[in-house]
Amino acid sequence: SAVISQKPSRDICQRGTSLTIQCQVDSQVTMMFWYRQQPGQSLTLIATANQGSEATYESGFVIDKFPISRPNLTFSTLTVSNMSPEDSSIYLCSVALAGGPGDTQYFGPGTRLTVL
Amino acid sequence: AQKVTQAQTEISVVEKEDVTLDCVYETRDTTYYLFWYKQPPSGELVFLIRRNSFDEQNEISGRYSWNFQKSTSSFNFTITASQVVDSAVYFCALGGMIKAAGNKLTFGGGTRVLVKP
Repeated sequence: SAVISQKPSRDICQRGTSLTIQCQVDSQVTMMFWYRQQPGQSLTLIATANQGSEATYESGFVIDKFPISRPNLTFSTLTVSNMSPEDSSIYLCSVALAGGPGDTQYFGPGTRLTVL
Repeated sequence: AQKVTQAQTEISVVEKEDVTLDCVYETRDTTYYLFWYKQPPSGELVFLIRRNSFDEQNEISGRYSWNFQKSTSSFNFTITASQVVDSAVYFCALGGMIKAAGNKLTFGGGTRVLVKP
């Protein structure tokens, strides 16, 4: 497995502001993923972030709202832009160590975001 | 399209009872992977098991066991002699084998397990 940390662990933000969430892994990984978990709901993939290429976004998620950076093989950031109360969720990053099809994803502890 | 259904939204048991969580999946892939994750109240998602579509053997790990039946597209999870620490939300997930899909995981809606002392 891998040790994955996220910062901040939680935050309360005002409507219209932006928050950048950091994800740090203790080993080099090719594939990193960002998920959103709305209150009481399941996980929804926002985007896949591979180092050296643009993030691939899932249907319903756009780069202007959720810009992602992946500057190296151990780090990624997700920004939630121009926030509204509907963005209140847990945001989780995950990594696939081997990077092959069907590889297990290991998750970070999550960032609990509340937008007022 | 891939889909995972966990019909049980919440299960409540008394400690030491067994509890079985159902997972039914849909996929057009002939090769795929199935996963179970546990999400305790702290929020972190903990990996429990990964099973590929070619391996239908049941698996036991301590008090946990999994029953994979390809014929019914089910991958059920049983906790034997449940403990209060088992209280969590459990997610079943499906992963494809197509590299272009980017290792996407499709999650079920989750089943909340409450174990009462």
